Amino acid sequence: NAGVTQTPKFRVLKTGQSMTLLCAQDMNHEYMYWYRQDPGMGLRLIHYSVGEGTTAKGEVPDGYNVSRLKKQNFLLGLESAAPSQTSVYFCASSYSAATSYNEQFFGPGTRLTVL
Amino acid sequence: AQTVTQSQPEMSVQEAETVTLSCTYDTSESDYYLFWYKQPPSRQMILVIRQEAYKQQNATENRFSVNFQKAAKSFSLKISDSQLGDAAMYFCAYSGEGAQKLVFGQGTRLTINP
Repeated sequence: NAGVTQTPKFRVLKTGQSMTLLCAQDMNHEYMYWYRQDPGMGLRLIHYSVGEGTTAKGEVPDGYNVSRLKKQNFLLGLESAAPSQTSVYFCASSYSAATSYNEQFFGPGTRLTVL
Repeated sequence: AQTVTQSQPEMSVQEAETVTLSCTYDTSESDYYLFWYKQPPSRQMILVIRQEAYKQQNATENRFSVNFQKAAKSFSLKISDSQLGDAAMYFCAYSGEGAQKLVFGQGTRLTINP
């Protein structure tokens, strides 16, 4: 099993450009999440999904959109990138609430720089 | 909203000694989970240990153990016999009811001195 994978690993954008980050998991997890990590602030939740076709806002959703058309994929989009979106982005997935451990499995991260 | 606070931005310890990382949280929920994640320079988030709030017994995983004080809302991580490979950022995290969203602390950078 590959676990959680993220594409791309690195990206540099100019202000105003758009891009999509792809997250894929092969563990048949119901829940998927996008976080951003900034220095000194830990990880903060951007958007999440509790199942195929569903999405919800997290703590810092502004400037981002997401889609979960397939259970195994969770896409994060930036329509018009801003320097404030320079960050490391992590995708994670977990089983549904029916299980007891609530463990999230993380991808390797995407380092995004917006100039 | 839940919050997680790690008051030690940096810690250092001599190899083979014991170190304790602090974490406090705030919540009104009664059922929740607490986690410690390790992030080495590779950036990969690695689960170190987890604690279910309804369990009074402190979790232990080999050299890693926690001191969970539910009434004080405190969740510290003790690393025994520190090894060079333990050097990393350590994040405390909270997961409550519902969609299992994680709320992270700011992190503690742990340095191991040989």
